[in-house]
Amino acid sequence: GNSVTQMEGPVTLSEEAFLTINCTYTATGYPSLFWYVQYPGEGLQLLLKATKADDKGSNKGFEATYRKETTSFHLEKGSVQVSDSAVYFCALYSGAGSYQLTFGKGTKLSVIP
Amino acid sequence: DGGITQSPKYLFRKEGQNVTLSCEQNLNHDAMYWYRQDPGQGLRLIYYSQIVNDFQKGDIAEGYSVSREKKESFPLTVTSAQKNPTAFYLCASSGRSSGANVLTFGAGSRLTVL
Repeated sequence: GNSVTQMEGPVTLSEEAFLTINCTYTATGYPSLFWYVQYPGEGLQLLLKATKADDKGSNKGFEATYRKETTSFHLEKGSVQVSDSAVYFCALYSGAGSYQLTFGKGTKLSVIP
Repeated sequence: DGGITQSPKYLFRKEGQNVTLSCEQNLNHDAMYWYRQDPGQGLRLIYYSQIVNDFQKGDIAEGYSVSREKKESFPLTVTSAQKNPTAFYLCASSGRSSGANVLTFGAGSRLTVL
C-alpha cells in the first residue's frame, strides 16, 4: 500500500535559519505529492504540490522537488520566520480510482526570534 | 468567499452520548471527506463521499456514521460505539475547481469526552 514517512519533530530553528523537512514515500504508479501546513488551532492548507518527476513546487519561499529516483519530496526554505511556526504534512495521491490522500504524521516546526 | 464551515469548534460529550459534527461547503465541490487527527498520528480518513447519496468507509469508520443528502453538507455522527472519540476532526472537500486531488479543509472541530 501507499505510505509517507517524514522526519519526526519537533524542529526548533532560529529566525533566518535554513529549513529542511525530509519526506519519502512508497506508492504504486506515479503519485502526485503535496505539502500541507497547519497553523495552530486551524485546519490544513495546501502549501505546494508537484505532479510528476523532477517537478518543483514552490510557494511563500518554500520549495520541494519531486525525486522519483529517491522517492523523496523534501521541503526546504532558505530563511524561516516566526510566522512559519506550524505543523507540516507531506502527502501523496496515487490516483488509480482512489480518492484518498495518504498523509505523513506531520512535523512540528517552531521558529524562535 | 468560498470555503468550508465546521461547527461547533469545541464540543464536550459525556460517555454514551452520540454527537453530530456539521460540515458545510459552498465551493460546489463534489467530494467531501472526514479525517480524525490525533497528536503524533497524522490524519486518518474516517469516511468520504464522491457524490450525493453515496459514501464509503475510510480507514477508521467504526463507531462513526455519515450522510450526504445535499452536495453542500456532510455531517459526521460520533456514536457511543466509538471507544476513544476525543480528537480533532477535520472536514475537507475537493472538486474540479481545485483539482480532484487537492483538498480544501475546514478549521476543525475539537471533541472532548468527559
